[in-house]
Amino acid sequence: DAGITQSPRHKVTETGTPVTLRCHQTENHRYMYWYRQDPGHGLRLIHYSYGVKDTDKGEVSDGYSVSRSKTEDFLLTLESATSSQTSVYFCATRTGPTGELFFGEGSRLTVL
Amino acid sequence: AQTVTQSQPEMSVQEAETVTLSCTYDTSESDYYLFWYKQPPSRQMILVIRQEAYKQQNATENRFSVNFQKAAKSFSLKISDSQLGDAAMYFCAYRNSRTFGNKLVFGAGTILRVKS
Repeated sequence: DAGITQSPRHKVTETGTPVTLRCHQTENHRYMYWYRQDPGHGLRLIHYSYGVKDTDKGEVSDGYSVSRSKTEDFLLTLESATSSQTSVYFCATRTGPTGELFFGEGSRLTVL
Repeated sequence: AQTVTQSQPEMSVQEAETVTLSCTYDTSESDYYLFWYKQPPSRQMILVIRQEAYKQQNATENRFSVNFQKAAKSFSLKISDSQLGDAAMYFCAYRNSRTFGNKLVFGAGTILRVKS
């Protein structure tokens, strides 16, 4: 396991409030990713990072921002949460030459 | 953009029987990787098996094996001697070797139910 910890694991919030999800890894992996999981869509990439302060957008990045100030931490921020952002969010890191991802346990976010 | 399609939203199998989950993908690349991930009710994503496109031999991991048909862009997962613990959501995923960021593209998933 890549030692990936997500926090919080569960959160309920109201529309319009800011939310930050944290991903912490202990393996010094360069690449980190945020995905969201929704029924019928599988996992879709929100943002990813290829190093400290180096990030890029994924396919569903609107409404989300990320930051990576340290190798081990990758933060996902919803500046103003909307009901469409109710989802399960997964952090992952890349390891190995074949590039499979190792995932955290997921964070369930409910926006009322 | 690459896409991954899992055409079976749900599948059922009797315990000890064999089941095959389907996956097709769309790409113009020749060098890539394919994966199957399992997600049990605990929500944890677990890598089941991976296949490198340049390898002709199908990958096998214990009771799990794949049928990789590169020309047909098909990557099915066969589970033999199904067990109750195999019940989960299964995701097929694709990664292009040349895409910056090494991002995985996932299919929508197949729910596998195992009947005792």
